[in-house]
Amino acid sequence: QVQLVQSGAEVKKPGASVKVSCKASGYTFTSYYMLWVRQAPGQGLEWVGMINPSGGTTTYAQKFQGRVTMTRDTSTSTVYMELSSLRSEDTAVYYCARLHLGHFDFWGQGTLVTVSS
Amino acid sequence: EIVLTQSPGTLSLSPGERATLSCRASQSVSSSYLAWYQQKPGQAPRLLIYGASSRATGIPDRFSGSGSGTDFTLTISRLEPEDFAVYYCQQYVSSLYSFGQGTKLEIK
Repeated sequence: QVQLVQSGAEVKKPGASVKVSCKASGYTFTSYYMLWVRQAPGQGLEWVGMINPSGGTTTYAQKFQGRVTMTRDTSTSTVYMELSSLRSEDTAVYYCARLHLGHFDFWGQGTLVTVSS
Repeated sequence: EIVLTQSPGTLSLSPGERATLSCRASQSVSSSYLAWYQQKPGQAPRLLIYGASSRATGIPDRFSGSGSGTDFTLTISRLEPEDFAVYYCQQYVSSLYSFGQGTKLEIK
């Protein structure tokens, strides 16, 4: 069965960087794009960007360009999202989700990133 | 960027009633790329509907989606206690994605 398992919660200081991982299993890793979506406390869902695990090409939401980097490791079927220059507004749960025909059919369990001095 | 506006913000209904949730896009959206998700507290979103009207695997037939162009609807025909949650619509166009702000379906 398809599973996306994310790394654990992180606490970072303003200005630092955080790197969240998402390990995929149960399907051919390179056949589906992976996206990252975040959700601030009590707020809605916000698309951060996506990566093609096959070639490593990325597309980022304009809001995050210059601060986010998505990478993948095909040997371990893992994608990574690194967000730099963290500020308090980046406090959120970050989800990875598998893309299928324009929608997200499987989601990770979420990783809480807290930015606090 | 396409903006999705969901209404109402909160919907208060009783089990057994019918729920109608709206999602309006600022520009026309291909029906192929309009989806609905359900999210319960502390959980990741779950795909309900894709392609505007196709139910995802394992989703009960009391959930249905419809619409085209800029206006889309999620209908829950007879509310069960487990259906009270937040619902989001989502669209895709030109390698960009966006979500509506959500509709909270609460027990009256």
